[in-house]
Amino acid sequence: SSELTQPPSMSVSPGQTARITCSGDKLGDKFVSWYQQKPGQSPLLIIYQDSQRPSGIPERFSGSSSGNTATLTISGAQSMDEADYYCQAWDTSAAEVFGTGTKVTVL
Amino acid sequence: QLQLQESGSGLLKPSQTLSLTCAVSGGSISTDGYSWSWIRQPPGKGLEWIGYIYHNGNSYYNPSLRSRVTISVDRSKDQFSLRLRSVTAADTAVYYCARVAWATFSGGMDVWGQGTTVTVSS
Repeated sequence: SSELTQPPSMSVSPGQTARITCSGDKLGDKFVSWYQQKPGQSPLLIIYQDSQRPSGIPERFSGSSSGNTATLTISGAQSMDEADYYCQAWDTSAAEVFGTGTKVTVL
Repeated sequence: QLQLQESGSGLLKPSQTLSLTCAVSGGSISTDGYSWSWIRQPPGKGLEWIGYIYHNGNSYYNPSLRSRVTISVDRSKDQFSLRLRSVTAADTAVYYCARVAWATFSGGMDVWGQGTTVTVSS
């Protein structure tokens, strides 16, 4: 199965914008989902189909995808957004792949 | 509101078989448009997909685990199960079950269990 690569970590100041990338072969041809995971908790779906937000997810979370890269943007980051973030896609063999994960620190 | 709850063996010795069950409540496992997945997370590491199954029994597995994994479904009990044979310390992880929403979320996993810790140690 294919691999999805994310930066291991990033930091953002409160109120600023964080952009997390997810790179993989022909990623633009697949639907990408994004998950947020806080310590000790199960992952939470925050973006599906590249850019759609499930009900209840704040508007400051947005997604996009083009070519081999998908991007999760957190606009106006808040302390509560400090978490690990994972991208996910299904490859052509019906296998699921998770990204390597990005730890976001808000400080 | 749909909920998932994992249960099963938490401490195993190397070479034993891991057995976990995910109980679905607040909805039916037989609803079209969904499949039912297992995911694991080793301590301090990222998420790894193990496999998923449809209510008709069709299943798909991570190629790296396929030789040791079986996922089954029991529609009468609204539950699905994971068996992982010949475990080693590398299989120590938190194991999650989740619903894959093909129709509503284009393959996103919208409901997750709380996770159960499995430790493999001699």
